[in-house]
Amino acid sequence: AQSVTQLDSHVSVSEGTPVLLRCNYSSSYSPSLFWYVQHPNKGLQLLLKYTSAATLVKGINGFEAEFKKSETSFHLTKPSAHMSDAAEYFCVVSASGANNLFFGTGTRLTVIP
Amino acid sequence: EPEVTQTPSHQVTQMGQEVILRCVPISNHLYFYWYRQILGQKVEFLVSFYNNEISEKSEIFDDQFSVERPDGSNFTLKIRSTKLEDSAMYFCASSASSGGPYNEQFFGPGTRLTVL
Repeated sequence: AQSVTQLDSHVSVSEGTPVLLRCNYSSSYSPSLFWYVQHPNKGLQLLLKYTSAATLVKGINGFEAEFKKSETSFHLTKPSAHMSDAAEYFCVVSASGANNLFFGTGTRLTVIP
Repeated sequence: EPEVTQTPSHQVTQMGQEVILRCVPISNHLYFYWYRQILGQKVEFLVSFYNNEISEKSEIFDDQFSVERPDGSNFTLKIRSTKLEDSAMYFCASSASSGGPYNEQFFGPGTRLTVL
């Protein structure tokens, strides 16, 4: 079975400071891992995905995530937050070869000017 | 940039009524999905659809639900007799391929369904 736990429902950072959104996963199989972002009144947009080619994954808008199998974690980071990063972020897992995605509960990121 | 669209953005219905939620996937995609998010809860997988048939479905997707691709561009979710607990945001998604890390699903903005 697959599941993800997002450890923080809400994270607040000042503009220009680092962002850390935490995610731990559970998977019976070799997992595929994703981070999606949702801005208000918009669809879910893929930020990045873990393809097993490299443990450090770079995504759009300066975000990256590191796959740590020993810690079953896939935390999302960004060195410097921008006001436009304020949104809901979802950590997502799927079993290799499966179609359905399993979502975490989401982390709302607030960026303070 | 191509995107998935959904109509309506908000649907209000009475309990027991039938509703049809509509989605237009990205035009060259072959795999289609419905997810839902009850307020305050996780986004949950409902069903995936390929080659005019359901390929996977969750326990949530019972006989009250059905999906259809009626005309080669639209992808619909029908709820036959709505219940209060069907109130949720429903997301449509599509992808060019299936399975694993290459399965990038593109999501629509969602339809908020309110059952009174």
